Amino acid sequence: DAGVTQSPTHLIKTRGQQVTLRCSPKSGHDTVSWYQQALGQGPQFIFQYYEEEERQRGNFPDRFSGHQFPNYSSELNVNALLLGDSALYLCASRTRDPGGNEQFFGPGTRLTVL
Amino acid sequence: AQSVAQPEDQVNVAEGNPLTVKCTYSVSGNPYLFWYVQYPNRGLQFLLKYITGDNLVKGSYGFEAEFNKSQTSFHLKKPSALVSDSALYFCAVSPLRGTDKLIFGTGTRLQVFP
Repeated sequence: DAGVTQSPTHLIKTRGQQVTLRCSPKSGHDTVSWYQQALGQGPQFIFQYYEEEERQRGNFPDRFSGHQFPNYSSELNVNALLLGDSALYLCASRTRDPGGNEQFFGPGTRLTVL
Repeated sequence: AQSVAQPEDQVNVAEGNPLTVKCTYSVSGNPYLFWYVQYPNRGLQFLLKYITGDNLVKGSYGFEAEFNKSQTSFHLKKPSALVSDSALYFCAVSPLRGTDKLIFGTGTRLQVFP
């Protein structure tokens, strides 16, 4: 049973560029959330998707957007990259079944903005 | 403001000794509480959760956590530490039950010495 997978593993971009990160949830999961983990910090919630719609959002600007596809996979898009966007981006998934509270995290995508 | 505090950046313990990693939270209501562990170049792995019921929660790899509502704490414990337990530990709170937004602490690095 594959867990949460993310691609790419690493990415280097320059300021002002745009980036797309991808996530496939764990088998049987239908809800996906994205987190940003800056160096030395805990993850910060960006947003959550289920039923192909954004359901919750953290304190991130509109430059951060996302999408969920019918197969429950998801993309995170960041426009007009800033140096401060350099971080590990984590995708997490869970099932919406009762009791399925814990989120399972992928290995992350390391984004470096130069 | 809602927050999670992990007051120790690093905890050092000898193998075989008990360990405690501290966590306190400032969230109104009755949140869900979680512990995750992060190994180098890996995503977060779920250890345990408190939803309701018994204040002592047992989780993966012999870890347990004690919920104390009056002190708003959720300390992680293990009776006998292993060198392989060395990793970065995060406490997290879901302030609104049934939603995916997790608020994480800044993490505590656990170092177990042989």
